[in-house]
Amino acid sequence: AQKVTQAQTEISVVEKEDVTLDCVYETRDTTYYLFWYKQPPSGELVFLIRRNSFDEQNEISGRYSWNFQKSTSSFNFTITASQVVDSAVYFCALSEGGNEKLTFGTGTRLTIIP
Amino acid sequence: SQTIHQWPATLVQPVGSPLSLECTVEGTSNPNLYWYRQAAGRGLQLLFYSVGIGQISSEVPQNLSASRPQDRQFILSSKKLLLSDSGFYLCAWSQGQPGGHEQYFGPGTRLTVT
Repeated sequence: AQKVTQAQTEISVVEKEDVTLDCVYETRDTTYYLFWYKQPPSGELVFLIRRNSFDEQNEISGRYSWNFQKSTSSFNFTITASQVVDSAVYFCALSEGGNEKLTFGTGTRLTIIP
Repeated sequence: SQTIHQWPATLVQPVGSPLSLECTVEGTSNPNLYWYRQAAGRGLQLLFYSVGIGQISSEVPQNLSASRPQDRQFILSSKKLLLSDSGFYLCAWSQGQPGGHEQYFGPGTRLTVT
């Protein structure tokens, strides 16, 4: 069965610091997809990134970067030079093979202190 | 471009009253549709998903039901609300088969059962 673990329940950092959000997944499939979502205080989930299991290249988008390591079953998310607008709950999610469903982690609440 | 609408945005209902939440998607055809519930400070719980008109899969047995009367319309209902039904209800859509696609979420409905 698939599972996503976000061990960090809450993180607080001072503005401009870098912060890494951890995500560890479990799956028996060789084909799977990993996702990150952001949930700001307004409540709507915002899609950030999707990676498939055959592409281990790290990705960078502005201040955001993602580190996918199959050897440790991790898909970590780093925010560089954090800003107050980054304050939100961040969810990691997993989809196996051709499954339409996503399994979400419990989320990490990130607070950026000005 | 695709957009997803949910209404109402907020709802306060007494215990035992009926419920109807509506979700519609624009700009795409034959999407997969999903209903999630998020209790206060908790993660996302998948309630129902649908891969086509009239095709509903239930993930959690409870007093809620879902229907998909049209391709881009997804309705969440209850005949009699319970206090435990309070929460934030999110509708989402994803591209159809094959699976593994990211889901895009609506703005959500905040339901309080009193």
